[in-house]
Amino acid sequence: DTEVTQTPKHLVMGMTNKKSLKCEQHMGHRAMYWYKQKAKKPPELMFVYSYEKLSINESVPSRFSPECPNSSLLNLHLHALQPEDSALYLCASSQDHGNYGYTFGSGTRLTVV
Amino acid sequence: GEDVEQSLFLSVREGDSSVINCTYTDSSSTYLYWYKQEPGAGLQLLTYIFSNMDMKQDQRLTVLLNKKDKHLSLRIADTQTGDSAIYFCAERDPSGGYNKLIFGAGTRLAVHP
Repeated sequence: DTEVTQTPKHLVMGMTNKKSLKCEQHMGHRAMYWYKQKAKKPPELMFVYSYEKLSINESVPSRFSPECPNSSLLNLHLHALQPEDSALYLCASSQDHGNYGYTFGSGTRLTVV
Repeated sequence: GEDVEQSLFLSVREGDSSVINCTYTDSSSTYLYWYKQEPGAGLQLLTYIFSNMDMKQDQRLTVLLNKKDKHLSLRIADTQTGDSAIYFCAERDPSGGYNKLIFGAGTRLAVHP
């Protein structure tokens, strides 16, 4: 298995909702990432997990809450989002050092209404 | 500081070669990457090059690295319509003890008959 699987592919949520994005990989990668990508822009790093521990939080608002239950799974819990949070959310994984690049999932297209 | 710059758009005729250029500012970068993103999809790692290499070839793809000028290029031979996508150049953030990629803005490649 050489893929990163993200669910759901599309999500529409209201500003008062709570939802979660899920990411799964079975490549034995020990680093996992959340990126946010707005239209016509490059991906922006949000969080990095290394060996299931949060190693980087790029000053992301607390309405985004990451979780890494085990080495294969990564979640992003969403609460009280704003319309400007609408974007493509990409999960990625890599071997621990990341030198040989990341494997990205196909993303969750999030729309906040 | 780190910055990665790319031209935003390139149009080529099917069958011709495409050359996508990228400049980076941090001379201590060790790994540089090219990613491809098709519409509505995640990022696909095309290739990477280590900073002690000048060139890397993989089938239709050729990466050239000029460390003196901090210039990276991706050449696609015999460009096909399936190559139409956004191409991101990225460097590994050399300042961190963690994994972080710095992406360029992306070059949109349009292939026409």
